[in-house]
Amino acid sequence: AQSVAQPEDQVNVAEGNPLTVKCTYSVSGNPYLFWYVQYPNRGLQFLLKYITGDNLVKGSYGFEAEFNKSQTSFHLKKPSALVSDSALYFCAAVDNYGQNFVFGPGTRLSVLP
Amino acid sequence: SQTIHQWPATLVQPVGSPLSLECTVEGTSNPNLYWYRQAAGRGLQLLFYSVGIGQISSEVPQNLSASRPQDRQFILSSKKLLLSDSGFYLCAWSLLAGGADTQYFGPGTRLTVL
Repeated sequence: AQSVAQPEDQVNVAEGNPLTVKCTYSVSGNPYLFWYVQYPNRGLQFLLKYITGDNLVKGSYGFEAEFNKSQTSFHLKKPSALVSDSALYFCAAVDNYGQNFVFGPGTRLSVLP
Repeated sequence: SQTIHQWPATLVQPVGSPLSLECTVEGTSNPNLYWYRQAAGRGLQLLFYSVGIGQISSEVPQNLSASRPQDRQFILSSKKLLLSDSGFYLCAWSLLAGGADTQYFGPGTRLTVL
């Protein structure tokens, strides 16, 4: 069965420091990978996606993610965290047949001033 | 540009009462539509998806149902709510069914069943 793991329930980082939110996947074939962010009592907002090509994907609000096929990972990164980045982050994956869009369990990011 | 609406934003209902949540999409035609439930502010559970009018696929058997009476309208219903139906309900749309296409989410409906 296809799955997405986000091994950390919570990530704490100081404002101005780099942040990483981890994601690993188990998807047949070549996966398409996504990151979403959710602020309290709001819907999910799309941040970025990897389809093919350059392994480093740049997205909204200064976020980027690196696709690593050998490690089956798609970690979300930002060079300098802001307090306003504090939110719940979801990784998602779908196989290249267009089936089984799967979300990870989410990671809560807290950026401390 | 495309927008997605959900209403109501919040809802408090007694156990055993009926439910109707509505989702509409503007600015696109023949979208794929999805209903998700999010419990306790964490993981998302796909409930239903639809690739066209009258075409509904159910991912999880439960006392909820979905209908798509119009191209850009998706309704989530229940005849009798259970306490366990409480949660945050999210509607989403995409242009392609699964695949590389991004899903875009509505603002959500917070349902509390008492």
